[in-house]
Amino acid sequence: DSGVTQTPKHLITATGQRVTLRCSPRSGDLSVYWYQQSLDQGLQFLIQYYNGEERAKGNILERFSAQQFPDLHSELNLSSLELGDSALYFCASSVLGLAHTTDTQYFGPGTRLTVL
Amino acid sequence: GQNIDQPTEMTATEGAIVQINCTYQTSGFNGLFWYQQHAGEAPTFLSYNVLDGLEEKGRFSSFLSRSKGYSYLLLKELQMKDSASYLCAVNMGGGNKLTFGTGTQLKVEL
Repeated sequence: DSGVTQTPKHLITATGQRVTLRCSPRSGDLSVYWYQQSLDQGLQFLIQYYNGEERAKGNILERFSAQQFPDLHSELNLSSLELGDSALYFCASSVLGLAHTTDTQYFGPGTRLTVL
Repeated sequence: GQNIDQPTEMTATEGAIVQINCTYQTSGFNGLFWYQQHAGEAPTFLSYNVLDGLEEKGRFSSFLSRSKGYSYLLLKELQMKDSASYLCAVNMGGGNKLTFGTGTQLKVEL
């Protein structure tokens, strides 16, 4: 158990819908990261938040957005869902995650999203 | 680009030693991680290298050569539970974001 929690564990929805995935980082960690893992691709970095502010962005679609709240939990919002959005979505956290530093990222159990 | 290459699959025998290689583009390199991932589960941290050389942690060791853009993960005394995907991930700077390889699926057989 990494100490990172994610809810829900599974989510099944229809195309065109909107969902929210939730993540609570390890106690004391300030950075939260979101990754997408689909069957035909490896883990793809989506976005990082540090202490409430966006820190780095990957290949995140415009239909996707995220935020980190004052209590440091984070939410990933996926809208206008398409079949291709079906994937495992992982959240990770690290102590700092600042430029020119390298912290170990610890991953949550993931949310499996199925879009029908 | 930031290509990270590792073999897709490997098979080894219980009790043996296996080496999983990873190559990456060196520009902006700021550290390399190895993670283990069982199917449908979270990646779990195995090792971290930022300087050249070997890092040993029990049955697992990881080696880095920054000039060659090369790393390997060495697993000794293989056990059936080591059957999993092994992910090489590189921090290319610009924060702490990791770029992952597609993973090496290791199968341990009797």
